[in-house]
Amino acid sequence: GQQVMQIPQYQHVQEGEDFTTYCNSSTTLSNIQWYKQRPGGHPVFLIQLVKSGEVKKQKRLTFQFGEAKKNSSLHITATQTTDVGTYFCAGPGNGNTPLVFGKGTRLSVIA
Amino acid sequence: DSGVTQTPKHLITATGQRVTLRCSPRSGDLSVYWYQQSLDQGLQFLIQYYNGEERAKGNILERFSAQQFPDLHSELNLSSLELGDSALYFCASSGGGGGYNEQFFGPGTRLTVL
Repeated sequence: GQQVMQIPQYQHVQEGEDFTTYCNSSTTLSNIQWYKQRPGGHPVFLIQLVKSGEVKKQKRLTFQFGEAKKNSSLHITATQTTDVGTYFCAGPGNGNTPLVFGKGTRLSVIA
Repeated sequence: DSGVTQTPKHLITATGQRVTLRCSPRSGDLSVYWYQQSLDQGLQFLIQYYNGEERAKGNILERFSAQQFPDLHSELNLSSLELGDSALYFCASSGGGGGYNEQFFGPGTRLTVL
């Protein structure tokens, strides 16, 4: 079935360093969504990308959708301790699953 | 606060037992989704209901069942519980039912099977 692969699984950074997580699909995605889950919390929707090559920014977060609509990335500039959490990408599934989530990238920020 | 509520927050039970998890979607949302999240695992989609009808089914075990009631709240029933069923169970809701809709997650129910 549809799979969304996410790397890296874990990332430890010093506060102030940049961070990037990558999401790849074997098939073309009509859209991709990103969610953040803080430790002990629940996933929270961050953004949705729809167009090929789309780039969206939210303050220090930059989201990109690949030209082929098979990959996406989330880049955080100058990480802060408030960025700690797991970042998930998700794309529409095929058949029985409305949304398929990647396994997430767990970000730790060392102050 | 996402507007999605889940009860109970924590549940501890024994193997072989049956439990019911409850979810109330955001006001106006017709779709409810159930996910299972185990330690270091992603979000495993279980099942989706849309306006009272089952819309999609994922890797849901036969021991698990769900329903959505006329007031749109949903219940996930887990029976013959096994140790491996210990996990966080999230409910999410959205206005529509497809893959374009952002999902709003509840706080989750942490199930511990002893």
